[in-house]
Amino acid sequence: QQPVQSPQAVILREGEDAVINCSSSKALYSVHWYRQKHGEAPVFLMILLKGGEQKGHEKISASFNEKKQQSSLYLTASQLSYSGTYFCGTQKGGAQKLVFGQGTRLTINP
Amino acid sequence: DTAVSQTPKYLVTQMGNDKSIKCEQNLGHDTMYWYKQDSKKFLKIMFSYNNKELIINETVPNRFSPKSPDKAHLNLHINSLELGDSAVYFCASSRLGGANTGELFFGEGSRLTVL
Repeated sequence: QQPVQSPQAVILREGEDAVINCSSSKALYSVHWYRQKHGEAPVFLMILLKGGEQKGHEKISASFNEKKQQSSLYLTASQLSYSGTYFCGTQKGGAQKLVFGQGTRLTINP
Repeated sequence: DTAVSQTPKYLVTQMGNDKSIKCEQNLGHDTMYWYKQDSKKFLKIMFSYNNKELIINETVPNRFSPKSPDKAHLNLHINSLELGDSAVYFCASSRLGGANTGELFFGEGSRLTVL
């Protein structure tokens, strides 16, 4: 079952913050986050494996609330290079496959 | 050195033709995947192989046939191409698979256009 991301699109000015949410109707084992720039392949950002876990990657961090079956990606003081489409991928316990959400398009303007 | 490489990058063909896309990874990973990304950017898993064994086979028309001659290669053959097959096909690999799927490394993608 495909996770649902929100919002579908965000437009920010450089330096502003953004939050992208990812929700699942099923219990999750892990959540992955990827970024895809136009015309390129998706690139891995991070994996969250435990309920309540938070991870950071420069000014990009994420949280995983296992009980709520939700993950959020936080981008602080956004840079032009953060523009792209962000995908969450979720895996259910014992499941083989990683299923991606529909993506959130982030545009950062100067 | 390209970690996951796909060929060709672009493919333009007529309906009804048969075409293949090849993928190779030099990361020593055990698991490889094919994902399809449609015009709405939806990334959908098609197949996954772990050490040459098929472990994921999504609801994909049987016109699509993957083949993994060894764990470093995963090819995709498509018979009787249809307009709806137009998409970008991404190959990916990961060190582990199954419930412990780690980071996916994606190839650059192969853009298939069916006319």
